[in-house]
Amino acid sequence: KQEVTQIPAALSVPEGENLVLNCSFTDSAIYNLQWFRQDPGKGLTSLLLIQSSQREQTSGRLNASLDKSSGRSTLYIAASQPGDSATYLCAGTDRGSTLGRLYFGRGTQLTVWP
Amino acid sequence: ETGVTQTPRHLVMGMTNKKSLKCEQHLGHNAMYWYKQSAKKPLELMFVYSLEERVENNSVPSRFSPECPNSSHLFLHLHTLQPEDSALYLCASSPGGQGYGYTFGSGTRLTVV
Repeated sequence: KQEVTQIPAALSVPEGENLVLNCSFTDSAIYNLQWFRQDPGKGLTSLLLIQSSQREQTSGRLNASLDKSSGRSTLYIAASQPGDSATYLCAGTDRGSTLGRLYFGRGTQLTVWP
Repeated sequence: ETGVTQTPRHLVMGMTNKKSLKCEQHLGHNAMYWYKQSAKKPLELMFVYSLEERVENNSVPSRFSPECPNSSHLFLHLHTLQPEDSALYLCASSPGGQGYGYTFGSGTRLTVV
């Protein structure tokens, strides 16, 4: 069974800092990897999707990479802002599953203070 | 709005009640999912539907009963729930097949009293 670990569990930083959030899978055979943001009591907002043929994706101040040999992914947030405060979740799908069942980590709770 | 709409946003029900959660997607996706998010636990997959056919039931108790009348709508019927079933229930959709991401709804916060 795939298990997903996210480090750190929580992070509190002043605005302007560059941040690194980590995610690792017990089974490195990840097909797709998706990073989500969740605000308190709300649903999930997709941030970045790394498909099977890709190793990296960028959107604005966000950059995500996936090392398939080790089953590790990193989300990099540049010049953090208070509006970035949320829980960040990584999730991956297994090979061979046409419906792409997602395995989630517990998330990193990020607080960016002014 | 993400294209996946869930109603109601909040629900409080007694253990003897029957209620239903609704999910609707406007993205033309072929697969729909129910996930459960409990405090301090990772999201757990409950059910998967592909083209209106249930293809996965992740050992969910029978007091949860899904229904997918068409590829745009998904329901979760609830009856005789327990307090430990209180959680955020999230619906998601995807085009189906490998290589595509998920779109999630805003969830229904369920409290069982």
